[in-house]
Parts: sequence; structure tokens; C-alpha cells
Amino acid sequence: ILNVEQSPQSLHVQEGDSTNFTCSFPSSNFYALHWYRWETAKSPEALFVMTLNGDEKKKGRISATLNTKEGYSYLYIKGSQPEDSATYLCAFGNNAGNMLTFGGGTRLMVKP
Amino acid sequence: DTGVSQNPRHKITKRGQNVTFRCDPISEHNRLYWYRQTLGQGPEFLTYFQNEAQLEKSRLLSDRFSAERPKGSFSTLEIQRTEQGDSAMYLCASRSTGRNSPLHFGNGTRLTVT
Repeated sequence: ILNVEQSPQSLHVQEGDSTNFTCSFPSSNFYALHWYRWETAKSPEALFVMTLNGDEKKKGRISATLNTKEGYSYLYIKGSQPEDSATYLCAFGNNAGNMLTFGGGTRLMVKP
Repeated sequence: DTGVSQNPRHKITKRGQNVTFRCDPISEHNRLYWYRQTLGQGPEFLTYFQNEAQLEKSRLLSDRFSAERPKGSFSTLEIQRTEQGDSAMYLCASRSTGRNSPLHFGNGTRLTVT
């Protein structure tokens, strides 16, 4: 069983704050690391798929970094908005990458 | 691209009954996944298909659970002799070939076992 951990479990921030969360995963047999956003009453939506050590991806105010040697990825949100409130999930793919193991998620609540 | 479709959206059943859920993936996606999610947890992997072949199945999965993807298109997940512990959101996702391809999720089927 692969251990994929996310921290913190939940986070409350004020509108305009910048924030970041962590995903840690096994550093061996790395293939890919995914980030998803899951809003209440919707389905999880892909943010990033990262495959190379040192990768940095950006989508608007959200960005992510990847360190495969030490087994962690950070997700950053700059200037949080209430619409950023969601659960953020990471998923680790090893070997051929077909099986993706999810972490427990970080639940973000942004207060206006 | 009509997205991944799951039916039903909600299912309430009594303990001991069998239930079956359906997932229609994005048509050109050859890979299909089933996950289960309970409150406060991340999605837990259940099984994975490439075309019609079931290539991975969670070792934690009871033999009351079975999944099929007969023609490499839609998939069904059946739970026999349901137990209260089976109450969860069952998520289906599909993805195309390629290392960088993300999962595309359906809206899930929420199962309540009474």
C-alpha cells in the first residue's frame, strides 16, 4: 500500500491571503504526480499533471512544484478568493503510472 | 466530449441487497478507474481497466465487489450482499493514453446502505 500524505487536512484563510499545501509520496518508482480540485457537489477537476523533478506548473493564481528525489509537491494559491474553497487532492502514480493513489486531501475554506 | 457519466446519482438500499452502478467514460478514453470515497478521506482505488481488460484490483477489496467493462466502453460495478460499511461515494474516472493525461471524473454515485 502506497503512502500518500497531504497536509494540512484543513485550512481556513481570509480572502486575499496566499496559502500553500503539501503532498508527500514515496520517492522510489516515481512516474507522475497529479493535483485535483474538488468543489462541493461537483466532480474532481484536474489542475496539474507533473512528471519531471523540478517541474513547476502554473494556472492563473495556482502553481505547483515537484521534488521527486525527496518525495514532495507543494501547491500554492496566491491571493485566495472565496471561489477557491474546495478540497485539493494529490495523486501519485508509480511505475507505469496506470494506478493512481490519492492522498486524503486538504480542505480549503476562504472567508470573504 | 460529453464527459464521464455515472448512473444512478444516488442509491439507497437495504443491507444484504445487491447493487449495480454504471459508468460511461469519455468515448476515446481507453483507461477507466473506479474509486470509493468516504467522508473526510481521499478517493480509495478500487479497480482499473485498460480497454476491456481489468489490469489492477485493490487487494483491500472484498470479493463482494466485482467490475466489468465488457466491450471496452461502459463499465459496471456490482456490490453483492451490501453492508453498512459500503456506504460511500463511488467515483468513476477515465483517461486517455499518455503519461501526462489527467483523470476525468464523473459526478459519482452516492450509496447509502440502511
